[in-house]
Amino acid sequence: AQKVTQAQTEISVVEKEDVTLDCVYETRDTTYYLFWYKQPPSGELVFLIRRNSFDEQNEISGRYSWNFQKSTSSFNFTITASQVVDSAVYFCALSELGTGTYKYIFGTGTRLKVLA
Amino acid sequence: EPEVTQTPSHQVTQMGQEVILRCVPISNHLYFYWYRQILGQKVEFLVSFYNNEISEKSEIFDDQFSVERPDGSNFTLKIRSTKLEDSAMYFCASRLEGLAEETQYFGPGTRLLVL
Repeated sequence: AQKVTQAQTEISVVEKEDVTLDCVYETRDTTYYLFWYKQPPSGELVFLIRRNSFDEQNEISGRYSWNFQKSTSSFNFTITASQVVDSAVYFCALSELGTGTYKYIFGTGTRLKVLA
Repeated sequence: EPEVTQTPSHQVTQMGQEVILRCVPISNHLYFYWYRQILGQKVEFLVSFYNNEISEKSEIFDDQFSVERPDGSNFTLKIRSTKLEDSAMYFCASRLEGLAEETQYFGPGTRLLVL
């Protein structure tokens, strides 16, 4: 069965520290998609990245980077030089091709608090 | 850039009342979804809708819930007789048809409070 685990419920860091948010997923499909979303206090879901199962290349976008490892079923997210504006809840999500509907299965989220 | 819109942004209702949450998906999208997020919890899939019918629904989506695409632009979620536990943020999402287009675009959400 499909499942996404974000074991870190809450992380607090001091501004300018690097922080990594973990995401481990379970799926039987060979074709699937992984996502990260940011949910600021205002509540909306902000899309950060999409990665398909055939693309294990790591990605960097400014201070954000993602490490996708199929061998460990992980898709971790690192913020370098964190800022107070990074404070939010971050969700990892999985979408399987085999479902037909491509619904998202979300993890429970990690609340990141960046302290000034 | 096109976006998914939802109305109202907030709704307060009395237990037992019917509510209709409205969504306007991106105009050329063909798959539509509703998700729910109880305060402090994860986002949960409720239902997907394609070609004017439900393609999948979760266990949460019981007989109290229904969805409709009454015209070419709106996509609605109706809760027939609200319960306290229906209090949550409801997100609408849409996506293009096609295997490569897997990203769902989420609306800003409707925060529903049932008293």
